[in-house]
Amino acid sequence: GAGVSQTPSNKVTEKGKYVELRCDPISGHTALYWYRQSLGQGPEFLIYFQGTGAADDSGLPNDRFFAVRPEGSVSTLKIQRTERGDSAVYLCASSLRSGRTDTQYFGPGTRLTVL
Amino acid sequence: GENVEQHPSTLSVQEGDSAVIKCTYSDSASNYFPWYKQELGKRPQLIIDIRSNVGEKKDQRIAVTLNKTAKHFSLHITETQPEDSAVYFCAASRPLGSDKLIFGTGTRLQVFP
Repeated sequence: GAGVSQTPSNKVTEKGKYVELRCDPISGHTALYWYRQSLGQGPEFLIYFQGTGAADDSGLPNDRFFAVRPEGSVSTLKIQRTERGDSAVYLCASSLRSGRTDTQYFGPGTRLTVL
Repeated sequence: GENVEQHPSTLSVQEGDSAVIKCTYSDSASNYFPWYKQELGKRPQLIIDIRSNVGEKKDQRIAVTLNKTAKHFSLHITETQPEDSAVYFCAASRPLGSDKLIFGTGTRLQVFP
């Protein structure tokens, strides 16, 4: 079946602009995660959704970052007033959430470059 | 806070040799430990995982061992092949809550033919 998909694959923007990154999880997966991966580093947790609600947003670096998942499927990560330090690959992952820790399946990521 | 350390950062082996990557974690409540392989420009892909009620797990050429007392776990790849060349990440997760993964900093494995 189809895996996790993310759009766009690449996004170049100017400092101070607003961007939206989209994630389509695997069908039927109720848990959705956003991670950020800087060059040469492991993915860093940003936010977790169980269904429509953000159950854990402890990884969001500041209030310029926000994410939604209004219908419990597609999620959008929104970054306001982008800064050069926001440049990274933003990864989305989903899992079945069957009551115990389930495998997280990752999307291909969106490479964000802030000039 | 939660932390996962991973060593070595780079590892070069000859085809057919074994490779071992080690991780330690700080949160004693962690109970799930996956390993991901990431090729250049690609998504991380799960290659094996282990839960804290198990000490060792094997899948063909790949094995993972877990020592809960010492809070460390290791990935073992035997009979390495050039296609094993990639960056490998360990991660840890605690039960309940978000199941968020705390990743190590990665090991770049190069297998020379």
